[in-house]
Amino acid sequence: NAGVTQTPKFQVLKTGQSMTLQCAQDMNHEYMSWYRQDPGMGLRLIHYSVGAGITDQGEVPNGYNVSRSTTEDFPLRLLSAAPSQTSVYFCASSYATGAQQYFGPGTRLTVT
Amino acid sequence: GENVEQHPSTLSVQEGDSAVIKCTYSDSASNYFPWYKQELGKGPQLIIDIRSNVGEKKDQRIAVTLNKTAKHFSLHITETQPEDSAVYFCAASRGDSWGKLQFGAGTQVVVTP
Repeated sequence: NAGVTQTPKFQVLKTGQSMTLQCAQDMNHEYMSWYRQDPGMGLRLIHYSVGAGITDQGEVPNGYNVSRSTTEDFPLRLLSAAPSQTSVYFCASSYATGAQQYFGPGTRLTVT
Repeated sequence: GENVEQHPSTLSVQEGDSAVIKCTYSDSASNYFPWYKQELGKGPQLIIDIRSNVGEKKDQRIAVTLNKTAKHFSLHITETQPEDSAVYFCAASRGDSWGKLQFGAGTQVVVTP
């Protein structure tokens, strides 16, 4: 199993550009989530999904959209990038609530 | 909502000594408390977790203790080794929150030989 994979590893955007961060898992996990990691702030939940077709907002959802059309994939879309979205983004998955979450390797995004 | 505070933010220890990281949480309904280790350039990885019906859990050199009355939990690493150097995060969640984890700010642990 590859576990949780994320692409790209690094990305630089200009303010106002859009992009999609990809996340995929091959463990047949129902629960998937996106976090952002900023210095001194730990990881903060952006959006999460409890299964295909079901998504909900986390702690910091503004400026991000998600969809979940398959169990495997959970892309994160930035519609109009802002410098405040410069961060490291992690995708995670687990088979159930309260179970171990498996994290991907992260995407480092810089918005200039 | 849940608020998790983690101390200290940095911790330097000599190889072979013990390291202790402490976290407090605010939501008395939280019942799942995992600890993650993050090495440079990698995603967090679960190292140990504890649930509210247990007061202490051990796994080799790592242990976690939970005091539900005081709403705090701690990570203990004994006989530290250079490979224990990393950032450690505590987290908390409620059983009815679909696994939404609230993370502490992290502790940078440096083990010097």
